[in-house]
Amino acid sequence: GAGVSQSPSNKVTEKGKDVELRCDPISGHTALYWYRQSLGQGLEFLIYFQGNSAPDKSGLPSDRFSAERTGGSVSTLTIQRTQQEDSAVYLCASSPTGHEQYFGPGTRLTVT
Amino acid sequence: SQQGEEDPQALSIQEGENATMNCSYKTSINNLQWYRQNSGRGLVHLILIRSNEREKHSGRLRVTLDTSKKSSSLLITASRAADTASYFCAPLLTGNQFYFGTGTSLTVIP
Repeated sequence: GAGVSQSPSNKVTEKGKDVELRCDPISGHTALYWYRQSLGQGLEFLIYFQGNSAPDKSGLPSDRFSAERTGGSVSTLTIQRTQQEDSAVYLCASSPTGHEQYFGPGTRLTVT
Repeated sequence: SQQGEEDPQALSIQEGENATMNCSYKTSINNLQWYRQNSGRGLVHLILIRSNEREKHSGRLRVTLDTSKKSSSLLITASRAADTASYFCAPLLTGNQFYFGTGTSLTVIP
């Protein structure tokens, strides 16, 4: 079946604008994760959903970042008033509970 | 930090040699997973080892887990140029929380 998809694949935005990043997980996967990866760095955990609820939001870097998940499926990560330091690849992954994660291809965000 | 911490940060070997990467973590885990990343995009799952297992094999991969030392190792035998990538460990904590480290960058020289 289809894997995890993310859109857009690339996004260039001006500083101060809001952006929405979308993740379509694998059907039936209850867990969904968002990560951020800056150039040459490891993965920075942002938020984790179990179903529609987010038991762990501890990784969100500031109140400009928010995420939601509806219907236990699609998730949207919103960054308000983007800053240059928000430039990174944003990765989404889904998994059946407690099992390996399946990653999407990522969204490369560039804030100019 | 609850992250997995990989060591070394970078490793360069000749094709045909074995590559060993280590991972340490700080809390109790349900399982530990290793992932591979090419060209800075999505990660691919390699192998999962449960907390009650000590060693696991998959093809040229061998993973060990020592829960008393809170450490794991990934061995790639008979390396190939195509193994060049970044490798990450991800301890799965209770509550389905994964924490990835900064990874080991492996370069296999043909």
